This record gives sequence, structure tokens and C-alpha cells, in this order.
Amino acid sequence: QLLLQESGPGLLQPSETLSLTCNVSGASVGSNSYYWGWIRQPPGKGLEWIGSVYYSGTTYYNPSLKSRVTMSSDKSKKQFSLKLSSVTAADTAIYYCARLAAATIKFDSWGQGTLVTVSS
Amino acid sequence: QSALTQPASVSQSPGQSITISCTGTSSDVGASDYVAWYQHHPGKAPKLLIYEVSYRPSGISNRFSGSKSGNTASLTISGLQAEDEADYYCTSYTDSTTLVLFGGGTKLTVL
Repeated sequence: QLLLQESGPGLLQPSETLSLTCNVSGASVGSNSYYWGWIRQPPGKGLEWIGSVYYSGTTYYNPSLKSRVTMSSDKSKKQFSLKLSSVTAADTAIYYCARLAAATIKFDSWGQGTLVTVSS
Repeated sequence: QSALTQPASVSQSPGQSITISCTGTSSDVGASDYVAWYQHHPGKAPKLLIYEVSYRPSGISNRFSGSKSGNTASLTISGLQAEDEADYYCTSYTDSTTLVLFGGGTKLTVL
């Protein structure tokens, strides 16, 4: 059974860098069948795709966040990560990690989400 | 790219049907068979309902169906039940650099 679990600090100060990790069990982040990505939901707003990373290391980012986002994956550690720099209160959100099937572009498995709050 | 356009909210009575639209452009929804729909209950992980426009994953009720015409995809829920009250999102493949677009989400209220 595939399980995705987000981890990382729940509280950041403005201008800091948000760092989250998604631990994957039941599948390999080294598979060429999937992208591994991040989606967030700010309070009272809709889901926003942040970006995804392919097994090769190729990354795909939401153009609106591209200048601040870095994603990577580590096959040996069975995890992938998100870094979002220079955070502001607007980055306060529930952050989900999810698997995106490459052949059908469907997010077929999601983590439970982790709340990240940006506040001074 | 802009998000795909969905109605902010819809409502319908139990037992009835409802259709939620998802409008994009000829560069995303109109050009792609890779349209998906998700159900999201607050506090839970989103759940895949439909993929490749009209296919249901194993375990998803046949009360949920998807279709597409031109630049607009649609999700139809028949025989509405109280537990269908949730937020619904569409996604579409867009291009090889951006990869995927999300809709703004539709809040479904079952009256």
C-alpha cells in the first residue's frame, strides 16, 4: 500500500525558507512512471499546484512560484522535498505531497497534508 | 497560465443530479485527454474521482461521471447524497514545461 507522509516545521517567520519532506512507502521515487509533487491550500482558498519532480531530477514548477521553489528527490531515502524561499504570510497553507501518474497526469495518491504557518 | 475556471459554488437537493464545469483553453483542456477530477473534504486528503476525462478509478461510485466538449470538461454527480457535499477540483495537462493546471474549485452544497 502506498503511503505518503509530509514532515517539516509548522511555523516559519517571514523571509525564511520553507523546507518540507515527503516520505514514501510502498513505491519508489525512482520509478519512471510517476512524478512526485506538492500542492497547497491556503486558508479559505483552493488547491494550488506548486510543482513536481520526475525520477530523472527534471522539475516542473508553477510559473507563479517558480522563482522561489526548488524540488528534489532521493531514491535511497525514499523521499522527495520542497524548498520555498522568502516566505510571507501568503504562503501559509496546508501543504500536500502527492504522486502524479506520468502516463495519465492524475494525482492518484496524496499525503494527509501538513499545515505551515508563516508569522512573526 | 491562469487556473482553469470552475463555478465557485453549486447546490442541489439529495437524489438529484448536478454538473460542475471546468473551462480552459485550446492549449490545455481543449487539447488534452488528461483531465481529472478530485473530491476534497476539509481536513482530508483530496480523492481522485475521474481521470482521462471519463475514467473512474477502482472503488469510485458510478454516480460520478466525466465528459468533455471543446475547452470545457464536466463532472456529473447523480443521485446526490449528503456525503457528496465537498469541494471539487479539475486538473488538466497543459504542456511539457508547466505540466498541470488546477481549477479554482467548486463547493458543492447538498441542500
